[in-house]
Amino acid sequence: GAVVSQHPSRVICKSGTSVKIECRSLDFQATTMFWYRQFPKQSLMLMATSNEGSKATYEQGVEKDKFLINHASLTLSTLTVTSAHPEDSSFYICSARDPGRTYEQYFGPGTRLTVT
Amino acid sequence: ELKVEQNPLFLSMQEGKNYTIYCNYSTTSDRLYWYRQDPGKSLESLFVLLSNGAVKQEGRLMASLDTKARLSTLHITAAVHDLSATYFCAVVDDMRFGAGTRLTVKP
Repeated sequence: GAVVSQHPSRVICKSGTSVKIECRSLDFQATTMFWYRQFPKQSLMLMATSNEGSKATYEQGVEKDKFLINHASLTLSTLTVTSAHPEDSSFYICSARDPGRTYEQYFGPGTRLTVT
Repeated sequence: ELKVEQNPLFLSMQEGKNYTIYCNYSTTSDRLYWYRQDPGKSLESLFVLLSNGAVKQEGRLMASLDTKARLSTLHITAAVHDLSATYFCAVVDDMRFGAGTRLTVKP
């Protein structure tokens, strides 16, 4: 099946620094990717929808200046957490749709961010 | 705003028993996903239901969709310990998830 990768799988950073998370579709071109955040023992919260070549659509309450999303190619979307704070510590998961397989949604393995 | 409600949120069952997880949603969407998540892991796709009346089965799990009632069910038959995980439903159109059902299967 289709594979979506994320890098890094784990990252620890200090308060005030920025961290970039990459999401790649490995064997298909993803025109749309989604970014989620998941706190312990909670559900996934959709942060934004990323469309190749255009600005991301952010969900209500998600700060677009803090969570920068770039979808510069059909196989890569990045999420940059700027000026990270301990409350940004979470599990970040991306997903991608394969336009050749209608409605199939593939999830990356997730990135665990810890801000100290 | 779309709401996706799952129940129960917690389910403890004995091996060999049957049970059903329910997913209600508030829009007119006719497409729904079911996922499994193990602790510390990402999501594993179980089923994609794309029309009213859709029924899919894989092993001990069977999912169905009733778009008129805006209800999907995930039925577990003769549960085994390996099924212990958190199960999520999500509406395809905008990828909003239910709260999840944490299933524990005890010997």
